Amino acid sequence: GEKVEQHESTLSVREGDSAVINCTYTDTASSYFPWYKQEAGKGLHFVIDIRSNVDRKQSQRLIVLLDKKAKRFSLHITATQPEDSAIYFCAASHDTNAYKVIFGKGTHLHVLP
Amino acid sequence: EAAVTQSPRSKVAVTGGKVTLSCHQTNNHDYMYWYRQDTGHGLRLIHYSYVADSTEKGDIPDGYKASRPSQENFSLILELASLSQTAVYFCASSPWTGTNSDYTFGSGTRLLVI
Repeated sequence: GEKVEQHESTLSVREGDSAVINCTYTDTASSYFPWYKQEAGKGLHFVIDIRSNVDRKQSQRLIVLLDKKAKRFSLHITATQPEDSAIYFCAASHDTNAYKVIFGKGTHLHVLP
Repeated sequence: EAAVTQSPRSKVAVTGGKVTLSCHQTNNHDYMYWYRQDTGHGLRLIHYSYVADSTEKGDIPDGYKASRPSQENFSLILELASLSQTAVYFCASSPWTGTNSDYTFGSGTRLLVI
């Protein structure tokens, strides 16, 4: 079946540094790529997304890059803060079937003081 | 505030027993989902529903049933709980169209089967 591979299971960075989480996908029909954040003991909440018609999107300290040719996308968190510590999930879906989302396994980001 | 509420927050069940996990949404969303989260597996879709009184199989439906008696409520039923069903279960809702930014997740139910 279709897969979304999330390459880093754990990532530690110093406060103020940038963090990068990388994902690849297998379904060439995927056209929508959301990212979710899960804080300890809580459910997931949406943080940023990117559609296949663009290759870069920024929302404050979050940047998402998409390389359709390589079927790869990444989340960049700049100027990390302690509250960025959480599990981040990448996901992929078809635009026409937004409900059918395939999630990566998650990356546990630790922002160290 | 629109929300997805799951109950119970945690549960210990015995092998072979029946377990029912409940989910209630106030988002007025058409779609509801049940996912399980296991360490190293991310989230996997068990069942989903796009309308009351109808459910669909997700990617890992075996050993689970679902029930959608109303737009607001969606239950996950384990008729004969097994050790392998120990996991964290998340319910979510979304509108019938739109992007995944509209997904709303519950806080999860931690199930331990012993």
